[in-house]
Amino acid sequence: EIVMTQSPGTLSVSPGERATLSCRASQTVGSNLAWYQHKPGQAPRLLISDASTRATGIPARFSGSGSGTEFTLTISSLQSEDFAVYYCQHYNRWPRYTFGQGTKLEI
Amino acid sequence: EVQLVESGGGLVQPGRSLRLSCVASGFTFDDYAMHWVRQAPGKGLEWVSGISWNSGTIDYADSVKGRFTISRDNAKNSLFLQMNSLRTEDTGFYYCAKNIGGTSPFDYWGQGTLVTVSS
Repeated sequence: EIVMTQSPGTLSVSPGERATLSCRASQTVGSNLAWYQHKPGQAPRLLISDASTRATGIPARFSGSGSGTEFTLTISSLQSEDFAVYYCQHYNRWPRYTFGQGTKLEI
Repeated sequence: EVQLVESGGGLVQPGRSLRLSCVASGFTFDDYAMHWVRQAPGKGLEWVSGISWNSGTIDYADSVKGRFTISRDNAKNSLFLQMNSLRTEDTGFYYCAKNIGGTSPFDYWGQGTLVTVSS
């Protein structure tokens, strides 16, 4: 099973600042990597697919990069609505698409 | 508008059973694979089970294999999760999610239904 590891566990930043979240896969997943945003009481939302492609309606301040085993989600200028938990997920071997443990982005 | 609406959660004693449902609308249900993902209290997301569009391919996380059964009824745009021999560690929110199959992400998720396993 592919293990996804995210860092840091919690990231404290101020509105307007830049946030960089990391995700590492235990073996290569190519570009089959997604990022999700999850707020309490809400459905998780797809932000990024194929490591770097923004999903429909996702603001340009969200960007993804990486391939193979190392990936990064960058939020260029944090807005108040961006404070949430972020998960990476590989989708390299259907259907066992494992998630990272999450990074909590807090003010 | 795509909608996935889960139901069937509740309080159940250890060892008992529960059946979750997810009703889909706003897209062609039988074009998509479907999944169940859960989140235990204070924990992250855990993939539980997935089923292909025609039920031809099914898989489970090791933590639920042999106890949970996923199924779908394409005529009713519905996904199900039969959960037997429930344990306290099965407590959490259960979400259904869809993907086009193959190597693709979960593009839409439901709001979740809460399962509490406790005596």
